[in-house]
Amino acid sequence: QSALTQPRSVSGSPGQSVTISCTGTSSDVGGYNYVSWYQHHPGKAPQLMIYDVSKRPSGVPDRFSGSKSGNTASLTISGLQAEDEADYYCCSYAGSYTWVFGGGTKLTVL
Amino acid sequence: QVQLVESGGGLVKPGGSLRLSCAASGFTFSDYYMSWIRQAPGKGLEWVSCISSSGGTIYYADSVKGRFTISRDNAKNSLYLQMNSLRAEDTAVYYCARFTYAFDYWGQGTLVTVSS
Repeated sequence: QSALTQPRSVSGSPGQSVTISCTGTSSDVGGYNYVSWYQHHPGKAPQLMIYDVSKRPSGVPDRFSGSKSGNTASLTISGLQAEDEADYYCCSYAGSYTWVFGGGTKLTVL
Repeated sequence: QVQLVESGGGLVKPGGSLRLSCAASGFTFSDYYMSWIRQAPGKGLEWVSCISSSGGTIYYADSVKGRFTISRDNAKNSLYLQMNSLRAEDTAVYYCARFTYAFDYWGQGTLVTVSS
């Protein structure tokens, strides 16, 4: 159950788009369409932003989108806003009812 | 609205035990799988354990198998994590989370510190 690989940090200016990658293996990201993404403002409860690779829960802005190619999943945030500054974590089902998370990416809005 | 409130964290010596609780409200607790997820200081999230809606099916991460026990009391709308043989590497904020198609609601977490 090795952690998924995410860049430690990404940044962008307001209005721009950023993409956060999440690389796993054929035993997790590549093997299932059960990738989810979470936004975490330190000290607060993490919030689900994307599930099943590309689906958005109600209430999540359509500026947030997800995709997957092979063993790598991606979260794209378009039209960056100051409140998007947070830590983002990917998560994938890894079989046998276990899940694996990424190490997290700190998004800075310049 | 869905609310999950963890409690029971604190400072414990290596080899010690601690029991975490998670009080759920705002949804029919007995209909949902629940999980514990933790975050060590400066590290990413780590899935710890999951329990089915009835409590009859349970899963653990290898890192805690044999030491931690997840349980639930649907009459009390509560989730628990009994942690035994604690190690320094178990130091983390522990979150409870509801699971449907993903971990769709989380609590704010409770801090567990394992240190002598």
